[in-house]
Amino acid sequence: DAGITQSPRHKVTETGTPVTLRCHQTENHRYMYWYRQDPGHGLRLIHYSYGVKDTDKGEVSDGYSVSRSKTEDFLLTLESATSSQTSVYFCAISESRDKVGTEAFFGQGTRLTVV
Amino acid sequence: KNEVEQSPQNLTAQEGEFITINCSYSVGISALHWLQQHPGGGIVSLFMLSSGKKKHGRLIATINIQEKHSSLHITASHPRDSAVYICAVGGSQGNLIFGKGTKLSVKP
Repeated sequence: DAGITQSPRHKVTETGTPVTLRCHQTENHRYMYWYRQDPGHGLRLIHYSYGVKDTDKGEVSDGYSVSRSKTEDFLLTLESATSSQTSVYFCAISESRDKVGTEAFFGQGTRLTVV
Repeated sequence: KNEVEQSPQNLTAQEGEFITINCSYSVGISALHWLQQHPGGGIVSLFMLSSGKKKHGRLIATINIQEKHSSLHITASHPRDSAVYICAVGGSQGNLIFGKGTKLSVKP
Protein backbone atom coordinates (compact mmCIF):
# COMPACT_ATOMS: atom_id res chain seq x y z
CA ASP A 1 0.00 0.00 0.00
CA ALA A 2 1.05 3.55 -0.68
CA GLY A 3 2.26 5.37 2.39
CA ILE A 4 -0.40 8.00 3.00
CA THR A 5 -1.65 8.85 6.43
CA GLN A 6 -4.43 11.27 7.23
CA SER A 7 -4.98 12.72 10.67
CA PRO A 8 -7.23 12.95 12.47
CA ARG A 9 -9.50 10.20 11.13
CA HIS A 10 -12.55 11.64 12.85
CA LYS A 11 -13.27 15.09 14.24
CA VAL A 12 -16.26 16.93 15.61
CA THR A 13 -15.88 20.67 15.88
CA GLU A 14 -18.03 23.70 16.52
CA THR A 15 -19.08 26.24 13.94
CA GLY A 16 -16.61 29.09 13.71
CA THR A 17 -13.58 27.21 15.00
CA PRO A 18 -10.45 26.65 12.91
CA VAL A 19 -9.63 23.10 11.90
CA THR A 20 -6.51 21.64 10.29
CA LEU A 21 -6.34 18.27 8.61
CA ARG A 22 -3.01 16.68 7.86
CA CYS A 23 -1.92 14.44 5.02
CA HIS A 24 1.45 12.75 5.31
CA GLN A 25 3.09 10.67 2.56
CA THR A 26 6.21 8.56 2.48
CA GLU A 27 6.24 8.03 -1.30
CA ASN A 28 8.06 11.25 -2.20
CA HIS A 29 5.35 12.00 -4.78
CA ARG A 30 5.30 15.55 -6.10
CA TYR A 31 1.54 16.00 -6.42
CA MET A 32 -0.85 16.01 -3.50
CA TYR A 33 -4.59 16.66 -3.52
CA TRP A 34 -7.40 17.31 -1.11
CA TYR A 35 -10.89 16.14 -2.07
CA ARG A 36 -14.20 16.16 -0.27
CA GLN A 37 -16.87 13.52 -0.64
CA ASP A 38 -20.54 14.29 -0.08
CA PRO A 39 -23.71 12.31 -0.74
CA GLY A 40 -24.98 12.88 -4.28
CA HIS A 41 -21.62 14.14 -5.47
CA GLY A 42 -18.49 12.51 -6.70
CA LEU A 43 -15.28 13.41 -4.95
CA ARG A 44 -14.54 17.06 -5.65
CA LEU A 45 -11.16 18.76 -5.70
CA ILE A 46 -10.57 21.38 -3.02
CA HIS A 47 -6.90 22.29 -3.49
CA TYR A 48 -3.84 20.64 -4.85
CA SER A 49 -0.08 21.02 -4.63
CA TYR A 50 2.52 20.47 -7.29
CA GLY A 51 5.53 20.97 -5.07
CA VAL A 52 6.77 22.51 -1.86
CA LYS A 53 5.08 25.88 -1.42
CA ASP A 54 3.30 25.45 -4.77
CA THR A 55 -0.46 25.12 -4.44
CA ASP A 56 -3.53 25.96 -6.46
CA LYS A 57 -7.29 26.00 -6.11
CA GLY A 58 -9.68 23.32 -7.17
CA GLU A 59 -13.38 23.25 -7.86
CA VAL A 60 -14.61 23.84 -4.29
CA SER A 61 -11.86 25.89 -2.64
CA ASP A 62 -13.95 28.59 -0.90
CA GLY A 63 -13.48 28.48 2.86
CA TYR A 64 -10.34 26.36 2.68
CA SER A 65 -6.63 27.08 2.61
CA VAL A 66 -3.66 24.77 2.26
CA SER A 67 0.03 24.72 2.94
CA ARG A 68 2.89 22.51 1.91
CA SER A 69 6.18 23.31 3.62
CA LYS A 70 7.65 19.84 3.11
CA THR A 71 7.28 17.30 0.34
CA GLU A 72 5.68 14.82 2.68
CA ASP A 73 3.05 17.01 4.34
CA PHE A 74 -0.01 18.75 2.90
CA LEU A 75 -2.24 20.58 5.35
CA LEU A 76 -5.85 21.59 4.77
CA THR A 77 -7.21 24.35 6.99
CA LEU A 78 -10.76 25.45 7.52
CA GLU A 79 -10.28 28.95 8.88
CA SER A 80 -13.76 29.16 10.40
CA ALA A 81 -15.66 25.90 10.07
CA THR A 82 -19.26 25.94 8.84
CA SER A 83 -21.89 23.20 8.81
CA SER A 84 -21.60 23.02 5.01
CA GLN A 85 -18.05 21.77 5.48
CA THR A 86 -19.28 18.64 7.23
CA SER A 87 -17.92 16.00 4.88
CA VAL A 88 -15.43 13.21 4.40
CA TYR A 89 -12.07 14.51 3.27
CA PHE A 90 -9.62 12.47 1.25
CA CYS A 91 -6.00 13.15 0.50
CA ALA A 92 -4.46 11.70 -2.65
CA ILE A 93 -1.00 11.65 -4.17
CA SER A 94 0.37 11.09 -7.65
CA GLU A 95 3.77 10.90 -9.18
CA SER A 96 3.34 13.26 -12.11
CA ARG A 97 0.79 15.71 -13.51
CA ASP A 98 1.61 14.87 -17.12
CA LYS A 99 1.02 11.25 -16.36
CA VAL A 100 -2.44 11.66 -14.93
CA GLY A 101 -2.91 8.04 -15.73
CA THR A 102 -0.42 7.05 -13.07
CA GLU A 103 -2.07 5.13 -10.33
CA ALA A 104 -3.66 7.36 -7.76
CA PHE A 105 -3.23 6.60 -4.11
CA PHE A 106 -5.66 7.70 -1.46
CA GLY A 107 -5.56 8.22 2.24
CA GLN A 108 -8.16 6.56 4.46
CA GLY A 109 -10.24 9.69 4.79
CA THR A 110 -11.14 12.09 7.60
CA ARG A 111 -14.74 12.36 8.70
CA LEU A 112 -15.36 15.94 9.84
CA THR A 113 -18.57 17.00 11.52
CA VAL A 114 -19.23 20.69 12.18
CA VAL A 115 -21.95 21.25 14.76
CA LYS B 1 -23.80 17.97 -17.54
CA ASN B 2 -21.34 16.06 -15.40
CA GLU B 3 -18.09 15.22 -17.11
CA VAL B 4 -18.22 11.64 -15.82
CA GLU B 5 -21.51 9.79 -15.73
CA GLN B 6 -22.00 6.37 -14.18
CA SER B 7 -24.91 3.97 -14.42
CA PRO B 8 -26.66 2.55 -12.63
CA GLN B 9 -26.49 4.55 -9.40
CA ASN B 10 -27.62 1.56 -7.36
CA LEU B 11 -27.46 -2.11 -8.20
CA THR B 12 -28.66 -5.15 -6.28
CA ALA B 13 -27.66 -8.60 -7.46
CA GLN B 14 -27.88 -12.18 -6.30
CA GLU B 15 -24.69 -14.02 -5.53
CA GLY B 16 -23.26 -15.55 -8.68
CA GLU B 17 -24.73 -13.03 -11.11
CA PHE B 18 -22.70 -11.24 -13.79
CA ILE B 19 -22.58 -7.51 -13.10
CA THR B 20 -21.88 -4.57 -15.40
CA ILE B 21 -21.31 -0.98 -14.36
CA ASN B 22 -21.02 1.68 -17.05
CA CYS B 23 -19.09 4.93 -17.25
CA SER B 24 -19.32 7.63 -19.92
CA TYR B 25 -17.15 10.72 -20.02
CA SER B 26 -17.15 13.92 -22.03
CA VAL B 27 -13.55 15.09 -21.73
CA GLY B 28 -10.38 13.97 -23.42
CA ILE B 29 -8.42 11.67 -21.19
CA SER B 30 -5.10 9.92 -20.95
CA ALA B 31 -6.43 7.20 -18.70
CA LEU B 32 -9.50 6.08 -16.84
CA HIS B 33 -9.59 4.63 -13.35
CA TRP B 34 -11.97 2.25 -11.67
CA LEU B 35 -11.94 2.53 -7.90
CA GLN B 36 -13.63 0.61 -5.11
CA GLN B 37 -14.84 2.09 -1.84
CA HIS B 38 -16.02 -0.19 0.95
CA PRO B 39 -18.14 0.88 3.91
CA GLY B 40 -15.67 2.49 6.28
CA GLY B 41 -14.50 4.62 3.41
CA GLY B 42 -11.10 3.57 2.12
CA ILE B 43 -10.64 3.98 -1.64
CA VAL B 44 -8.71 1.38 -3.56
CA SER B 45 -7.61 1.57 -7.17
CA LEU B 46 -8.84 -1.44 -9.15
CA PHE B 47 -7.80 -0.58 -12.68
CA MET B 48 -6.13 2.13 -14.66
CA LEU B 49 -6.61 1.76 -18.39
CA SER B 50 -6.20 3.83 -21.53
CA SER B 51 -7.22 1.29 -24.15
CA GLY B 52 -8.63 -2.17 -24.59
CA LYS B 53 -9.29 -4.43 -21.68
CA LYS B 54 -7.79 -5.45 -18.36
CA LYS B 55 -8.62 -8.41 -16.15
CA HIS B 56 -7.86 -9.08 -12.50
CA GLY B 57 -9.45 -12.13 -10.98
CA ARG B 58 -13.22 -11.85 -11.42
CA LEU B 59 -13.01 -8.20 -12.45
CA ILE B 60 -12.79 -7.05 -16.04
CA ALA B 61 -12.55 -3.46 -17.23
CA THR B 62 -12.94 -2.33 -20.82
CA ILE B 63 -12.67 1.04 -22.48
CA ASN B 64 -13.70 2.39 -25.88
CA ILE B 65 -11.83 5.64 -26.43
CA GLN B 66 -13.76 6.58 -29.57
CA GLU B 67 -17.09 6.20 -27.81
CA LYS B 68 -15.77 7.64 -24.51
CA HIS B 69 -17.19 4.74 -22.60
CA SER B 70 -15.90 2.20 -20.13
CA SER B 71 -17.45 -0.78 -18.39
CA LEU B 72 -16.55 -2.69 -15.26
CA HIS B 73 -17.70 -6.29 -15.15
CA ILE B 74 -17.79 -8.61 -12.17
CA THR B 75 -18.19 -12.30 -12.91
CA ALA B 76 -19.62 -14.74 -10.37
CA SER B 77 -20.46 -11.93 -7.95
CA HIS B 78 -20.07 -12.49 -4.22
CA PRO B 79 -21.38 -10.60 -1.19
CA ARG B 80 -17.85 -9.38 -0.47
CA ASP B 81 -18.04 -7.47 -3.77
CA SER B 82 -20.62 -5.19 -2.15
CA ALA B 83 -19.12 -1.70 -2.29
CA VAL B 84 -19.30 1.57 -4.15
CA TYR B 85 -17.53 1.47 -7.51
CA ILE B 86 -16.24 4.76 -8.82
CA CYS B 87 -15.11 5.76 -12.29
CA ALA B 88 -12.60 8.61 -12.60
CA VAL B 89 -10.70 10.31 -15.42
CA GLY B 90 -7.67 12.56 -15.46
CA GLY B 91 -8.37 16.31 -15.17
CA SER B 92 -6.42 19.26 -16.52
CA GLN B 93 -4.92 20.05 -13.11
CA GLY B 94 -3.43 16.61 -12.76
CA ASN B 95 -6.30 15.63 -10.54
CA LEU B 96 -8.99 13.04 -11.09
CA ILE B 97 -12.57 13.87 -12.04
CA PHE B 98 -14.94 11.42 -10.42
CA GLY B 99 -18.29 9.94 -11.23
CA LYS B 100 -20.83 9.79 -8.42
CA GLY B 101 -20.33 6.09 -7.94
CA THR B 102 -22.41 2.95 -8.25
CA LYS B 103 -23.51 1.30 -5.02
CA LEU B 104 -23.48 -2.46 -5.47
CA SER B 105 -25.14 -4.85 -3.06
CA VAL B 106 -24.74 -8.57 -3.65
CA LYS B 107 -27.19 -10.73 -1.72
CA PRO B 108 -26.31 -14.30 -0.67
